[in-house]
Amino acid sequence: KAGVTQTPRYLIKTRGQQVTLSCSPISGHRSVSWYQQTPGQGLQFLFEYFSETQRNKGNFPGRFSGRQFSNSRSEMNVSTLELGDSALYLCASSLEGREETQYFGPGTRLLVL
Amino acid sequence: AQSVTQPDIHITVSEGASLELRCNYSYGATPYLFWYVQSPGQGLQLLLKYFSGDTLVQGIKGFEAEFKRSQSSFNLRKPSVHWSDAAEYFCAVGAWSGNQFYFGTGTSLTVIP
Repeated sequence: KAGVTQTPRYLIKTRGQQVTLSCSPISGHRSVSWYQQTPGQGLQFLFEYFSETQRNKGNFPGRFSGRQFSNSRSEMNVSTLELGDSALYLCASSLEGREETQYFGPGTRLLVL
Repeated sequence: AQSVTQPDIHITVSEGASLELRCNYSYGATPYLFWYVQSPGQGLQLLLKYFSGDTLVQGIKGFEAEFKRSQSSFNLRKPSVHWSDAAEYFCAVGAWSGNQFYFGTGTSLTVIP
């Protein structure tokens, strides 16, 4: 079974731009969570989607948003990029009823210049 | 408030030596506890998890962890480290509900020949 895939793997943007990251969960997984990983803050929970609905949200500004499609694929969007948004963005998927066990993708590394 | 503490930022061990990575948590209820490993440029791989029952949990790659409620700890151990174990290790606690997870800041492991 294929793992969680994320595209693109690397991205360079400039301040003020917006970016969209994509995540395809493991087949059959309907829950998708997003995390931001930075050297200073570590891993921080962004939000979680299930059945096209945001079910949980971390403590991030409204510039960070996401959505989930009917096939469980998810996208996250960051608008008006700031230098501090440079990070590794990780997506994780899990089975319905087993959300405590998450499987992570390789991440998208975003560099904001 | 939920939190996870990994007191050791960096650990160096010789190949073949035993390893113990420390993790302490603060959580209001019985937690779900996890250990993940992250190799450079990669996402997180689940090593093992504890939900309930036997407090000694076996994971992949020869790792084990012991849950000690009285000490609020979930330390990761391996009897004999291999060079390929060099990576970043993260302890995490999962919410009883709400699908949110809190990660420690990680411990970087270096293995010397």
